[in-house]
Amino acid sequence: AQSVTQLGSHVSVSEGALVLLRCNYSSSVPPYLFWYVQYPNQGLQLLLKYTSAATLVKGINGFEAEFKKSETSFHLTKPSAHMSDAAEYFCAVSEPGANSKLTFGKGITLSVRP
Amino acid sequence: DTAVSQTPKYLVTQMGNDKSIKCEQNLGHDTMYWYKQDSKKFLKIMFSYNNKELIINETVPNRFSPKSPDKAHLNLHINSLELGDSAVYFCASSHSVSYNEQFFGPGTRLTVL
Repeated sequence: AQSVTQLGSHVSVSEGALVLLRCNYSSSVPPYLFWYVQYPNQGLQLLLKYTSAATLVKGINGFEAEFKKSETSFHLTKPSAHMSDAAEYFCAVSEPGANSKLTFGKGITLSVRP
Repeated sequence: DTAVSQTPKYLVTQMGNDKSIKCEQNLGHDTMYWYKQDSKKFLKIMFSYNNKELIINETVPNRFSPKSPDKAHLNLHINSLELGDSAVYFCASSHSVSYNEQFFGPGTRLTVL
């Protein structure tokens, strides 16, 4: 069975500071991994995805994530936070194959202080 | 052009009523999903359809009945609404069952009074 752990529920950073949102996964097969962002009162938008190609994945809005098999991690980073990055961030895992499904972590709220 | 759309955006109703939420995607995808997001923002898959056939049913009460008239539409009908059904319901679609990048609709906030 697949699962995702996102430790903590809230991260607060200053504008211009590094953003680091942690994600650890569990999967019985090499997984696909995703980060989604949800702005207030909106649906989820895909930030980036890992599908067994390059382990360092670049996404939209300056975000990137690195797949580390040895650590079963897929942490999301951005060098310099903007106020507009304030949102809910979800890590998700799926096991490739027929009838596969996304399993989401519980999400992390990112706040950005002026 | 909206890729995945849902109607209505907000739905307020009394306990015991029956209601439907509609979803349409114009991406040409084969697979569609329904998710429930609870008050703590936890997202859980409810159903998945591929080419109008049910492929995932995640222990959802049988008061919830999805219907897919064609592969571009997946509607969710809920009978005998309960307080615990209050949540945001998201529709999503993906190219196929084995391609996991999913595109989400804007959500329907259901409030049961």
